[in-house]
Amino acid sequence: QSVLTQPASVSGSLGQSVTISCTGTDNDIGAYKFVSWYQQHPGRAPKLLLFAVDSRPSGISNRFSGFKSGWTASLIISGLQAEDEAHYYCSSYTKSATLVFGGGTALTVL
Amino acid sequence: QLVQSGGGLVQPGGSLRLSCVASGFTISDHYMDWVRQAPGKGLEWIGRIRTKSYNYATTYAASVRGGFTISRDDSENSVYLQMSGLTTADSAVYYCARDQGVGRNEDAFDIWGQGTMVTVSS
Repeated sequence: QSVLTQPASVSGSLGQSVTISCTGTDNDIGAYKFVSWYQQHPGRAPKLLLFAVDSRPSGISNRFSGFKSGWTASLIISGLQAEDEAHYYCSSYTKSATLVFGGGTALTVL
Repeated sequence: QLVQSGGGLVQPGGSLRLSCVASGFTISDHYMDWVRQAPGKGLEWIGRIRTKSYNYATTYAASVRGGFTISRDDSENSVYLQMSGLTTADSAVYYCARDQGVGRNEDAFDIWGQGTMVTVSS
């Protein structure tokens, strides 16, 4: 089972912006718009942040945005807040009709 | 919400069945998935079960294919994960999750269960 590639960790200062990348292949991210992003705080279930690359569910702050170029999707978090410190995961549908997650990125807010 | 039950300690080679009961919505309109997370590790998609319109078809990750079975009972608003031939590598928190798409996949999980720990150990 392939894993989408994410940086293990990123950091940013309060109020700044960070970008988390998620690189796949032409079998997953490159082939579909079914890319989602999740936020997970320790001991909690993941929370959906973005779906279909750049769509936000109701109740999700517009500080979270996304885009895709080729095989790479990206999550941008602007105006960093202390509560944004968490793990972030991307996911994508694949040509095998399965789903695959990224390895996860730990965000530290300085 | 989704409320899970059925986790616990099981010996290698053993079996376990996890349950996931929905409230506040009808699962019959949704694909339902299972995701697991080994301690200190990332998320791993396990598999999904589609709706009646798609004959309740299932798809599994290669890592669990042949050992895990997902089923659903729409009348009970529940989905299940039957696990057999368990190994220590299957020790993880298991989550059930709802695909937000209605009658189709959007591959976005908007509702998650609270997670249940499965420990495979002798």
